[in-house]
Amino acid sequence: EDQVTQSPEALRLQEGESSSLNCSYTVSGLRGLFWYRQDPGKGPEFLFTLYSAGEEKEKERLKATLTKKESFLHITAPKPEDSATYLCAVRLRTPGGGADGLTFGKGTHLIIQP
Amino acid sequence: DVKVTQSSRYLVKRTGEKVFLECVQDMDHENMFWYRQDPGLGLRLIYFSYDVKMKEKGDIPEGYSVSREKKERFSLILESASTNQTSMYLCASRSQVGTDTQYFGPGTRLTVL
Repeated sequence: EDQVTQSPEALRLQEGESSSLNCSYTVSGLRGLFWYRQDPGKGPEFLFTLYSAGEEKEKERLKATLTKKESFLHITAPKPEDSATYLCAVRLRTPGGGADGLTFGKGTHLIIQP
Repeated sequence: DVKVTQSSRYLVKRTGEKVFLECVQDMDHENMFWYRQDPGLGLRLIYFSYDVKMKEKGDIPEGYSVSREKKERFSLILESASTNQTSMYLCASRSQVGTDTQYFGPGTRLTVL
């Protein structure tokens, strides 16, 4: 069964304290891996898409990396406004190539304290 | 900017009522999706549509149906609402070409009493 596991479930950091969030996946036929940010009571906001092992993407204090089994979201010198739930999701290759949904992990709840 | 809107932010219904959740996107995307999000379970796919009048079951379609009569609009229908359908419902859209990115709406928090 295809699975996406995120760790840790929750993480509390001091402002400026860098860390990494993990997303491990056991899927057959990865088409893409996605990172989203979700604020309380709102819909997920797209951050990054990664397609192949070795790929990296950056945006402000965030950097996403991908290996054959996992992805990391590195947060450098975070600020309180980076507090949110970070979601990882995978899109699988479908035989017919048609539309399909994303399979999500349960998320990491990140709190950055001033 | 891609915009996905949902008809209500909060909705309260009674058991047995028929419930319609509406989603509209303004980017001419072919694909649209409905998810529900529950604490401890994450986001789960209910139904998706890859074009007008097309629909496919996701992982948890039981108790739901959908309608896609126009390209920009995708409706989720709860034929007879039950308390276990209390949840956050999220709509998303995606272009069939180019980027794989799904863009999400703000969500509808549905409470069934």
